[in-house]
Amino acid sequence: DIQMTQSPSLLSASVGDRVTLSCKASQNIYKYLNWYQQKLGEAPKLLIYYTNSLQTGIPSRFSGSGSGTDYTLTISSLQPEDVATYFCQQYNSWPGTFGAGTKLELK
Amino acid sequence: QVQLQQSGAELAKPGSSVKISCKASGYTFTSYYISWIKQTTGQGLEYIGYINTGSGGTNYNEKFKGKATLTVDKSSSTAFMQLSSLTPDDSAVYYCARNYYSGERGYWYFDFWGPGTMVTVSS
Repeated sequence: DIQMTQSPSLLSASVGDRVTLSCKASQNIYKYLNWYQQKLGEAPKLLIYYTNSLQTGIPSRFSGSGSGTDYTLTISSLQPEDVATYFCQQYNSWPGTFGAGTKLELK
Repeated sequence: QVQLQQSGAELAKPGSSVKISCKASGYTFTSYYISWIKQTTGQGLEYIGYINTGSGGTNYNEKFKGKATLTVDKSSSTAFMQLSSLTPDDSAVYYCARNYYSGERGYWYFDFWGPGTMVTVSS
């Protein structure tokens, strides 16, 4: 299975900060990568699909980029409601595998 | 609006089985796969597999073959996952999710999730 490594595991930032979360695959996943947000006690929510496509209804401060093995989720201006854990998921090869998540908290 | 309604929490004994349901509404049920995902504190999110709601065809993560069985009842727009021979390692929250797939565009994602069903395996 492809291993997905997310960093950092915990990130503290202030409201208004530009925040960058990283996701690295153990092999080339050809941009077949999704990002999900999970708030405490809730189900995950799709943010970004196919590396950089913003899901309907998701604020434009969220964006995704990357290629090959290295991918990034960026929040351009952190808002209090963005406190959550963020997961990446590859679907280049079966089974789709998730990263362990980055927990984002307010400083 | 799209909704996935899952059955309630389960407390089961080791060696037994449970069957979780996922009732879909707000869209054409057979136009999307339903996928199942396991979440634990220790192992994070693990993809169990999916069921083609139109044909009933399934695809399982090798790790969950023999553990999970996915079925569907099109008449009630409900997907089911049975977990068998339960052990404490099966204790987790299990999510169903609507699975969008477009081979032409290279898309495969879970755009709506159920609220999760907690399964606790304990004697």
